[in-house]
Amino acid sequence: QSVLTQPPSVSAAPGQKVTISCSGSSSNIGNNYVSWYQQLPGTAPKLLIYDNNKRPSGIPDRFSGSKSGTSATLGITGLQTGDEADYYCGTWDGSLNAVVFGGGTKLTVL
Amino acid sequence: QVQLVQSGSELKKPGASVKVSCKASGYTFTNYAMNWVRQAPGQGLEWMGWINTNTGNPTYAQGFTGRFVFSLDISVSTAYLQISSLKAEDTAVYYCARDGPGGIGPPFYWGQGTLVTVSS
Repeated sequence: QSVLTQPPSVSAAPGQKVTISCSGSSSNIGNNYVSWYQQLPGTAPKLLIYDNNKRPSGIPDRFSGSKSGTSATLGITGLQTGDEADYYCGTWDGSLNAVVFGGGTKLTVL
Repeated sequence: QVQLVQSGSELKKPGASVKVSCKASGYTFTNYAMNWVRQAPGQGLEWMGWINTNTGNPTYAQGFTGRFVFSLDISVSTAYLQISSLKAEDTAVYYCARDGPGGIGPPFYWGQGTLVTVSS
């Protein structure tokens, strides 16, 4: 059971927009920055978003992040088949003194 | 550019030990902490802990004390994960992952992962 809660799967058609939620508590998301990762099949996770809404160099602006209270959201616009992957949220948990991750969301681009 | 290159896949018998290496390049090794993350087959990401690359002081997450050891060789900018008394449930991909500029928290850069398979 992950500390952060994500939907197991989401799907949308190419060109459409999808959002992935990540729910936590005041000890983690509520008081710390959230990061988002993309994990393509058979590869290592890749940072998409950090500090709630910042994109590392090279990440297209189709990817966006937001946070409100104890929840965070990853948005992906202009979906491409190459976006099919597992997406994870992560943050620091001050009560556990640990980095915590969501259980992951599998994105299918129909 | 930042690179973390890990050692290759390992096949070990139960009860054996394994040591995974993670060689860093493209930045000053001692400026950023190194995390270790486990991903069991078909499962999500699990943070194992981190090591302070300045002091060598490791911090282990709950569930990763006793058989797991983080270490460093600063002279070659390399972090190590050693697992002893291997069990079948240790079968997983192990990632090293470097902190970002904000300090300890969700990692920025990831190694390519090392698959450790424990089987008789």
